[in-house]
Parts: sequence; structure tokens; C-alpha cells
Amino acid sequence: NAGVTQTPKFRILKIGQSMTLQCAQDMNHNYMYWYRQDPGMGLKLIYYSVGAGITDKGEVPNGYNVSRSTTEDFPLRLELAAPSQTSVYFCASNNKGTSGVNEQFFGPGTRLTVL
Amino acid sequence: DAKTTQPTSMDCAEGRAANLPCNHSTISGNEYVYWYRQIHSQGPQYIIHGLKNNETNEMASLIITEDRKSSTLILPHATLRDTAVYYCIASGAGSYQLTFGKGTKLSVIP
Repeated sequence: NAGVTQTPKFRILKIGQSMTLQCAQDMNHNYMYWYRQDPGMGLKLIYYSVGAGITDKGEVPNGYNVSRSTTEDFPLRLELAAPSQTSVYFCASNNKGTSGVNEQFFGPGTRLTVL
Repeated sequence: DAKTTQPTSMDCAEGRAANLPCNHSTISGNEYVYWYRQIHSQGPQYIIHGLKNNETNEMASLIITEDRKSSTLILPHATLRDTAVYYCIASGAGSYQLTFGKGTKLSVIP
């Protein structure tokens, strides 16, 4: 299994440009998540999905959009990039199960710089 | 989810046990305690979790006090590869979000 994969690894955007960060998992997980991590800080949840066709906002959703058309893929869209979106973006996935235990599997991250 | 408090940084000699403390005094009865770590800008990695009882796996042991207001992650024989930021998270069974604070930066010294 490749686990959680993310592309691209690095990207530099100009202010106002748009892009899509790709995330895929091959573990047949129902739940998928997008986090951002600013320098020296912990991770903050942007959006999450509990299954194909179902998404919901996390703590910091402004400036982002998501979709979940398949179990495997959970892309994150930035429409009008701003310097405040300079960050490292992590995708994660899991199956919470009936116990509710939240062991999440993380991808390697995408480092985004907006200039 | 309950707020957790961890020391900013700790050092540990290679081969010795690393004991990382965490306070979660407002934890509620259905909240698990999770530990994750992040090695040099990689994605976080799950280590262990517990509810009431002490837990052990191949990576670490988790000791939770009887009142559940604090816990300690123990890496029994720290190696240089254990140098990382360690996050303690309290999260309920119904919560999707894991709230990552700044964690404890553990430096394992040769």
C-alpha cells in the first residue's frame, strides 16, 4: 500500500492564482482530512469528509474548497491565493470505527508559498 | 476537546527512557488521550492512545493518572531517530478533529 499520497510536494503561487492540491489514499478509508501547519505551530483542520459526496468545514475553511467524488481522492482547491495561505498542507485518512478511536494516517505534505 | 499542556522542549540521552508529560485537567470521560509525533516536517505519525488504562505497544507506553488529568508518554530506549515534536491530544469519540498544539520538541542526544 502507498498509504496517503499528496501532490505536488512543493509549489510557489502568485497572489490571486488558483490551484488544486491532490490527495489520494489506497487504504479504503471512509474519512479524509485536510490540515494546514504554519511555521512553528500545530496543525489546524481545514475540511474533512466522512465519505464520498459528504464534506464539512473544520476550524479554518475560509479560502478553500473541497470535493469528494470517490473514496480514494480528496482534492483541496485554493481559488484566489493569498500570502496568508503560505503553509504546509497535510492530508490524512482513517476509518474511525464504532469505538470512535481517531487514529489518522498522514501524507507527506505539500509546501505552498504564495508571493 | 480538552486543552492539553506540554513542555516546549526536552532533552534525553540516547539509550535512556524519554518521559514526556502532558496535562489535560479538563478532560471529559469519553475523551481519549492520543500521542502523535512529527519528525522534521514529515506528516504526523500516530504513536498510541488510551482512555483510562495504561497502554503499551511496540513504539511506546502511555501512563494515564487515575484521575485522568495528566499522562506520560514513555519511549523506553530513545534513539536519535526519536528526535521529533511530540503532540498530546485529548479528543472525544464523536470528534473528527484532532487539535494539535505546539507539542514538545524532544531532542535525543548522543
